[in-house]
Amino acid sequence: GAVVSQHPSWVICKSGTSVKIECRSLDFQATTMFWYRQFPKQSLMLMATSNEGSKATYEQGVEKDKFLINHASLTLSTLTVTSAHPEDSSFYICSARGTGERYEQYFGPGTRLTVT
Amino acid sequence: AQTVTQSQPEMSVQEAETVTLSCTYDTSESNYYLFWYKQPPSRQMILVIRQEAYKQQNATENRFSVNFQKAAKSFSLKISDSQLGDTAMYFCAFTGYNTDKLIFGTGTRLQVFP
Repeated sequence: GAVVSQHPSWVICKSGTSVKIECRSLDFQATTMFWYRQFPKQSLMLMATSNEGSKATYEQGVEKDKFLINHASLTLSTLTVTSAHPEDSSFYICSARGTGERYEQYFGPGTRLTVT
Repeated sequence: AQTVTQSQPEMSVQEAETVTLSCTYDTSESNYYLFWYKQPPSRQMILVIRQEAYKQQNATENRFSVNFQKAAKSFSLKISDSQLGDTAMYFCAFTGYNTDKLIFGTGTRLQVFP
């Protein structure tokens, strides 16, 4: 149980275009989802926290207009990187926390974004 | 602000031996959870072990155990009988009752040699 999927696993896009990454909880309802960014050989950096049906809370320094997060249902959250640039190339990981969970987060397999 | 510090960027151990990864943290909260996550080359984050701060007994999961020293704010991970499959990046993480998010350390890259 507690499986989280991400789609796509790898995406290449051209500079200036937008790309959407999906995060789904497959066998539980996720009231809260988290989006992280990870650079090579570095730790996970929390970008934003989203609760179903409400606006995401962004961490300091993360551009909310560039990284649009939508958590429209209890099983799906999306991250859209708008007007992508090469510096947005990174590994993006989502995690989900189920209803009633206080601390447990279940991680997706990640999405590698390459902007050319 | 809460912080998590891992002072060992890289560690290596021979197969079947024991290795200990260090982690210290800082918080003003009295109720919190601590975690060790493993990130293998596939980059999938895997929960190795967790410790609830109010529990004095150290958590154990098969070959993995922790040494939780609450007063010293230390939370080390001991891997016994190391296996090649233990080769991965290991992250120590913290979340408090009032924090609502995971705070990660910088990670320790563990290499297990045959």
